[in-house]
Amino acid sequence: EAQVTQNPRYLITVTGKKLTVTCSQNMNHEYMSWYRQDPGLGLRQIYYSMNVEVTDKGDVPEGYKVSRKEKRNFPLILESPSPNQTSLYFCASSLRDDQETQYFGPGTRLLVL
Amino acid sequence: RKEVEQDPGPFNVPEGATVAFNCTYSNSASQSFFWYRQDCRKEPKLLMSVYSSGNEDGRFTAQLNRASQYISLLIRDSKLSDSATYLCVVTGGNNRLAFGKGNQVVVIP
Repeated sequence: EAQVTQNPRYLITVTGKKLTVTCSQNMNHEYMSWYRQDPGLGLRQIYYSMNVEVTDKGDVPEGYKVSRKEKRNFPLILESPSPNQTSLYFCASSLRDDQETQYFGPGTRLLVL
Repeated sequence: RKEVEQDPGPFNVPEGATVAFNCTYSNSASQSFFWYRQDCRKEPKLLMSVYSSGNEDGRFTAQLNRASQYISLLIRDSKLSDSATYLCVVTGGNNRLAFGKGNQVVVIP
């Protein structure tokens, strides 16, 4: 089944404790991205990747890191999480770029205490 | 002006009725337009792309008005299962997607 998976789905952590949210797609997509969704603000892009080893900042990259060592995986790293990073996070992928249908993962709900 | 603007609603619609809403965008150079559907606390899923000539998919019709920079979505014969948030998505600046905050639709029996 073609899909985007994210882990974990739910996470409660404390300020400053490094965490990684994994994202994997099995559709051989080149383009992958991370979004956060907050009430009243909608979906905002954090980082995106056009292909392996090619990543770039989105609209709200502060406090986040990403890597794209393999085509299928695009982990999101919070080196020192803070409470303002409490949010719902979505990973997405598409065949080539942002002009095409985005396939979203199921989301990761993060609470930073 | 925000890249993509939507009236969040909610739009309370009697079952069987028609509902329509617009989304305005600021980037006149935008090339790609989409409507996504998002159920509560779930991931967005593509409802339909929006083409210059307009397009229809069953009970759903999407239109693009480049002159006035808006796209629209019309839902005919609303079903209870149509209750969701409809996200307008447009190619924003820097060739990245810009998401609206969504139109919340509640279909009432």
